[in-house]
Amino acid sequence: ETGVTQTPRHLVMGMTNKKSLKCEQHLGHNAMYWYKQSAKKPLELMFVYSLEERVENNSVPSRFSPECPNSSHLFLHLHTLQPEDSALYLCASSQDRRQGGDEQFFGPGTRLTVL
Amino acid sequence: AQSVTQPDIHITVSEGASLELRCNYSYGATPYLFWYVQSPGQGLQLLLKYFSGDTLVQGIKGFEAEFKRSQSSFNLRKPSVHWSDAAEYFCAVGGGFKTIFGAGTRLFVKA
Repeated sequence: ETGVTQTPRHLVMGMTNKKSLKCEQHLGHNAMYWYKQSAKKPLELMFVYSLEERVENNSVPSRFSPECPNSSHLFLHLHTLQPEDSALYLCASSQDRRQGGDEQFFGPGTRLTVL
Repeated sequence: AQSVTQPDIHITVSEGASLELRCNYSYGATPYLFWYVQSPGQGLQLLLKYFSGDTLVQGIKGFEAEFKRSQSSFNLRKPSVHWSDAAEYFCAVGGGFKTIFGAGTRLFVKA
């Protein structure tokens, strides 16, 4: 049990669908992250939230829309995705040290397939 | 620029043999260094971390890593590999908002 849960674990969607990924952390952390993990590519940081405020956005397409209603919950809203968006989407949390040094705790991921 | 390089995309070792996974980093200051492991279908789990002090760091599951500033390396080692160690291993530098991950090394264990 890592203390970070993600739902659903698997998701298949068409290009015109709208869906959301959910992440919840039970560790009392203040920072939460969305990563994309594609085959044979390094982890891509998509979004970072600290105390519900988005602090980093690595030029992610607008078809991905994050939401962080509180420090324990993080959503990734998906709409009009492309097949190349198929990947494992990982959520993580950390204590929140902007200067670094914090380890991250990861959820199990959502395996997304876009048809 | 800050970066992490894991030179080996995949490595195969026999069960019971020793293991060393390489990691080289480029970082402007004294680095925070991490090793994570990812089993199939799972998220990443922290194996160990180095912040300062003793350059040989012990982690979970019998792993250790040695920080060598002169070589900008933080290699992961295990004296005797078990079949359950088959996974992907990620070296990272920075931590928190500033974490940079390497591309990973896939470990295969043969009987």
